[in-house]
Amino acid sequence: DVKVTQSSRYLVKRTGEKVFLECVQDMDHENMFWYRQDPGLGLRLIYFSYDVKMKEKGDIPEGYSVSREKKERFSLILESASTNQTSMYLCASSLYSKTGQGGNQPQHFGDGTRLSIL
Amino acid sequence: GNSVTQMEGPVTLSEEAFLTINCTYTATGYPSLFWYVQYPGEGLQLLLKATKADDKGSNKGFEATYRKETTSFHLEKGSVQVSDSAVYFCALSGGTGGFKTIFGAGTRLFVKA
Repeated sequence: DVKVTQSSRYLVKRTGEKVFLECVQDMDHENMFWYRQDPGLGLRLIYFSYDVKMKEKGDIPEGYSVSREKKERFSLILESASTNQTSMYLCASSLYSKTGQGGNQPQHFGDGTRLSIL
Repeated sequence: GNSVTQMEGPVTLSEEAFLTINCTYTATGYPSLFWYVQYPGEGLQLLLKATKADDKGSNKGFEATYRKETTSFHLEKGSVQVSDSAVYFCALSGGTGGFKTIFGAGTRLFVKA
């Protein structure tokens, strides 16, 4: 079974701090994703990566950056945390597939990090 | 662009009732369609998928058929259990959208004993 591990289940930080959320997958997947999940808004894509050192902006990248130095690890960075970044953060990975333009592979999710910014 | 619309919740059913959660989509090309489930305190996990028109995905008693003519992928289960209480997400990826996945807003299901 694919395992996607997020470093923390719960995290409390202060406004203005630099925050790192780590995600590791063990199935050699090419694609990795960061989402935030908020009540009534569903899942919103922050950033994704389709290869080492490659990254693409998602729908809500402002205030965030990412790093992918190794294939198995994808880090989300809050440059200067603000209270409106309090949320549940979900990491996911998927296998690249040449068929279906790469879209017929499901995503595998970690259990999430509930981040509170005070 | 691509989009997914699913019925708003919460949906409350008694145990052994029939479940339908509606999902419709807008997409160009030939996307794959998915249902994910999220149990309390956990991330999403794949429930079932269908990769082309008329395919039926099934798992754990849940079924959904990829209907291109009605652009729908409704989730059904003949007899729900208390343990099915969760949030269900319809999603699509592929087609001209590549491997990015578009998720619906989610439908919360409560099953009463």
